[in-house]
Amino acid sequence: EVQLVESGGGLVQPGGSLRLSCAASGFTFSSYAMYWVRQAPGKGLEYVSVISSNGGRTYYANSVKGRFTISRDNSKNTLYLQMGSLRAEDMAVYYCARVAVTGTFGDYWGQGTLVTVSS
Amino acid sequence: DIQMTQSPSSLSASVGDRVTITCRASQGIGNFLAWFQQKPGKAPKSLIYAASSLQSGVPSKFSGSGSGTDFTLTISSLQPEDFATYYCQQYNSYPLTFGGGTKVEIK
Repeated sequence: EVQLVESGGGLVQPGGSLRLSCAASGFTFSSYAMYWVRQAPGKGLEYVSVISSNGGRTYYANSVKGRFTISRDNSKNTLYLQMGSLRAEDMAVYYCARVAVTGTFGDYWGQGTLVTVSS
Repeated sequence: DIQMTQSPSSLSASVGDRVTITCRASQGIGNFLAWFQQKPGKAPKSLIYAASSLQSGVPSKFSGSGSGTDFTLTISSLQPEDFATYYCQQYNSYPLTFGGGTKVEIK
């Protein structure tokens, strides 16, 4: 069974940093691209970042470019999102999701982790 | 960036109704479109990929159609478990973009 479990969310002050993790199981993690999507309270879904299966290619939303870094450790079956210079507008539930072999995004999703940015 | 516009933003329907949601892209995206269902407090769930392909395990009452710029998601006979918010997403090019969502409520 495919499972994606996010962790690392919490309360952080504006300007602070946080690292999210997404532990994967039930599939060959190193064969799949992965991505992060976020959802601000009461709002819609927003793409954050994508990473290729070997980590060689990464893409970012303009809203996070230069502040967030996506990475992965295929030996640990774990996806990461390093977030820096956090702003109030970054407050959201962050989901990790898998990119299917067909190239479609989001065939499986984690349950999400909440990031609160507040002083 | 490609803008995805969903309509309506919300709708009220009864059990058994046929429901259609529309998603329009600001430029052609081929068939690189997915539909997701999200219930309150839960992660999104994939329903449709490649505009019209049903994700494994998703009931056949859900169907998708369209290509280029205009797409639809249809629920053939609405059931209580289908009341949720539905999102389209284009994956033709980066940055990936989602529609604003359509909330399907009980009439």
